Amino acid sequence: DVKVTQSSRYLVKRTGEKVFLECVQDMDHENMFWYRQDPGLGLRLIYFSYDVKMKEKGDIPEGYSVSREKKERFSLILESASTNQTSMYLCASSPRDGYNSPLHFGNGTRLTVT
Amino acid sequence: GQQVMQIPQYQHVQEGEDFTTYCNSSTTLSNIQWYKQRPGGHPVFLIQLVKSGEVKKQKRLTFQFGEAKKNSSLHITATQTTDVGTYFCAGPSLNSGGSNYKLTFGKGTLLTVNP
Repeated sequence: DVKVTQSSRYLVKRTGEKVFLECVQDMDHENMFWYRQDPGLGLRLIYFSYDVKMKEKGDIPEGYSVSREKKERFSLILESASTNQTSMYLCASSPRDGYNSPLHFGNGTRLTVT
Repeated sequence: GQQVMQIPQYQHVQEGEDFTTYCNSSTTLSNIQWYKQRPGGHPVFLIQLVKSGEVKKQKRLTFQFGEAKKNSSLHITATQTTDVGTYFCAGPSLNSGGSNYKLTFGKGTLLTVNP
């Protein structure tokens, strides 16, 4: 079974802090994704990556950056956290042709920025 | 850009009643996927539909893909309390750069079931 592991289940940070959300998958998937989920807004794509060192902006990339130095790991970085970034963050992975393959999600990180 | 709209946003039913959620895309889709997210959980893949007019069943769940491949539905017969959760549809769309595809999710339908 595919396992996508997010480093923290809950995280509380202060405004202005630099925040790292880590995600690791164990199935050698090429594609990795970061979504945020907010009530009434569904899942919105922040960034995704189709290969190591490759990244592409999703629908709401502002205020975020990502890093993919190794195939199995995809990090989401909040350069200077703000209260409007309080949300549930979901990492996902899929094999090549990701839009044609199921996404496997991690358990999520609930981030609170105070 | 491409939008995936899902209705209703919420649905409350008595146990044993049927439930349907609908998904509409502004563009033709090569495929559509359905996910279920239990309360406190993460989205879990249910099924993918690829062919025009395709119908697939999983026990009490019936999934349909429209003839024009722009809409889809999920129907649950005789709901049970274990069906509680949010059901999402998702379809591929080109990213803004036009070079890669990504999955665009509908906003989901939250189903609650009264025992």
